[in-house]
Amino acid sequence: KQEVTQIPAALSVPEGENLVLNCSFTDSAIYNLQWFRQDPGKGLTSLLLIQSSQREQTSGRLNASLDKSSGRSTLYIAASQPGDSATYLCAVKPTSGTYKYIFGTGTRLKVLA
Amino acid sequence: GAVVSQHPSRVICKSGTSVKIECRSLDFQATTMFWYRQFPKQSLMLMATSNEGSKATYEQGVEKDKFLINHASLTLSTLTVTSAHPEDSSFYICSAGTGWDGETQYFGPGTRLLVL
Repeated sequence: KQEVTQIPAALSVPEGENLVLNCSFTDSAIYNLQWFRQDPGKGLTSLLLIQSSQREQTSGRLNASLDKSSGRSTLYIAASQPGDSATYLCAVKPTSGTYKYIFGTGTRLKVLA
Repeated sequence: GAVVSQHPSRVICKSGTSVKIECRSLDFQATTMFWYRQFPKQSLMLMATSNEGSKATYEQGVEKDKFLINHASLTLSTLTVTSAHPEDSSFYICSAGTGWDGETQYFGPGTRLLVL
């Protein structure tokens, strides 16, 4: 059974810091991995999607890497800003069964001004 | 880009009543729709998967008679929480999938349900 874990559960950093969020999954048979942002009481905003054949994706200050064999992904946020404060979720889509996403529990990030 | 809407965004109801939540794909046709539930400080958990015109497939532990899903068209799916109770209070998010078996998914903004 696929399980997705995110570390740390919560993180508080001063503005301007570079930071890394970690995601690990137990089964490497995935179709893709996606990082989302969720603001309090809101839905999901897709940040980066990495296909199983890719190693990384970049968008602005965000960079996500994928090491499928070791079951790990990292989300790197450069020069963090208070507006980056949110919960970051990673989710994997297994290759077997329906195309459902299995979500991690998220990392709650707070960037202090 | 692909947009998915949900209505209502927030609903408060009395215990024992039924609540219907709509999920619409606004500019594309969704072959598959997925319904997720998120309790406070927990992650999203898939409740059910539905394909247009067929019965939904429910995840283990989800009561199909309590959470009625209708996927009548390629742009609309509804989730009805029947005889809602306070423990059903949660954040419900849908996603609309395109491609074979809904392989590419777009998420809605979510519906906050509070049952008093």
